[in-house]
Amino acid sequence: QSVLTQPPSVSGAPGQRVIISCTGSSSNIGADSDVHWYQQLPGTAPKLLIFGNNNRPSGVPDRFSGSKSGTSASLAITGLQAEDEADYYCQSYDNSVSNNWLFGGGTKLTVL
Amino acid sequence: EIQLLESGGGLVQPGGSLRLSCVASGFTFNTYSMTWVRQAPGKGLEWVARSGGGGSIDYADSVKGRFTISRDNSKNTLFLQMNSLRAEDTAVFYCAKMRGQRYSSYHFDSWGQGSLVTVAS
Repeated sequence: QSVLTQPPSVSGAPGQRVIISCTGSSSNIGADSDVHWYQQLPGTAPKLLIFGNNNRPSGVPDRFSGSKSGTSASLAITGLQAEDEADYYCQSYDNSVSNNWLFGGGTKLTVL
Repeated sequence: EIQLLESGGGLVQPGGSLRLSCVASGFTFNTYSMTWVRQAPGKGLEWVARSGGGGSIDYADSVKGRFTISRDNSKNTLFLQMNSLRAEDTAVFYCAKMRGQRYSSYHFDSWGQGSLVTVAS
């Protein structure tokens, strides 16, 4: 069971907006640790999607956005496209254990 | 273009050892923290170990005492020596480049394609 909690699955129709949540605690997200998001397409390595809570690396469409508040963070995807179907992971740092970078359990996005 | 190429995976018996390598190119290797992240079949991502550019090292509790991360900056190569392997260590191991100003902002901005380690008799 992950310390960062994500819904196992979300879905949406093409063109719609979906939000994936990531709930942590006072020792990670709530301790002012940054939240980052990764996209993992089937059979491939993860790819950085959002870093530093709300920043997109070069090449990531602005349909993807991140936010953070308190002990939670969210990834929003607007204008859903078929190629967005993938697993999404949040990641942060936890100061309650010996230098531990944590991942959420992952969320499978299905484009209907 | 940043490239990370892992090698060394394979089938090993429980209690055995394996050494993974990751050759990096496209950036100044010795100035960045590098890390290993693993993914068990059908499961999520798990951070394993970090090697700082200045020599600092960190391990996840699940591998501490069994795995050793190291690097050869002259060859732009990251290593993971895995001893006392268990069935639950079966996973794809990814090498990743880390970026950030401090521990609480570190993220993984480039990833290799992964190397499969299978621990079974």
